[in-house]
Amino acid sequence: QVQLQESGPGLVKPSETLSLTCAVSGGSISSNNWWSWVRQPPGKGLEWIGEIYHSGSTNYNPSLKSRVTISIDKSKNQFSLKLNSVTAADTAVFYCAGDDFQSGKVFWGQGILVTVSP
Amino acid sequence: EIVLTQSPGTLSLSPGERATLSCRASQSVNSNYLAWYQQKPGQAPRLLIYGASNRATGIPDRFSGSGSGTDFTLTISRLEPEDFAVYYCQQYGSLPRTFGQGTKVEIK
Repeated sequence: QVQLQESGPGLVKPSETLSLTCAVSGGSISSNNWWSWVRQPPGKGLEWIGEIYHSGSTNYNPSLKSRVTISIDKSKNQFSLKLNSVTAADTAVFYCAGDDFQSGKVFWGQGILVTVSP
Repeated sequence: EIVLTQSPGTLSLSPGERATLSCRASQSVNSNYLAWYQQKPGQAPRLLIYGASNRATGIPDRFSGSGSGTDFTLTISRLEPEDFAVYYCQQYGSLPRTFGQGTKVEIK
């Protein structure tokens, strides 16, 4: 069973860059999955941030595209998120996920709370 | 961008009752690529339904999905205590992928 684990700082200062990594275990990041980031502000709903395929192809939410970069490191079986110029509105639980909807499979990390505060 | 509107916002029901949740899309969802997730407090979402009507592995058959085009429904035939949670729909047929705002199913 594929497992995902997010890691990174839990506190980021305004105007700085939020950087998170998602380690994939129990399967290869080069498998037929799209690897994505989703965030959830406290008490609110889910927002899709973007995704990457093992080929390096990416898709981003237009609302965040100017500030987001998702990358993949196949040698480490992990992928990463960078969100720059953060504000308090970016405070959220960030989830990494992998999906192969053709096979009906979606894997989620446990989530990591990132707070933007001085 | 496809906007998904879920209704009702909150559903107050008793165990054993039937729950009917709606997800309406602002435009047709390609190939009915519509998923339903369940989320409990402090947990990641769990996939229930994909392709509008296909149950994910390990999901009890009291959960069923239906619909096509712009109107989709998640039905829980008989609510069990563990089913009280927030439910989200997501379309994955167009970019950007989008989620509905969620329906909370609470104990009456």
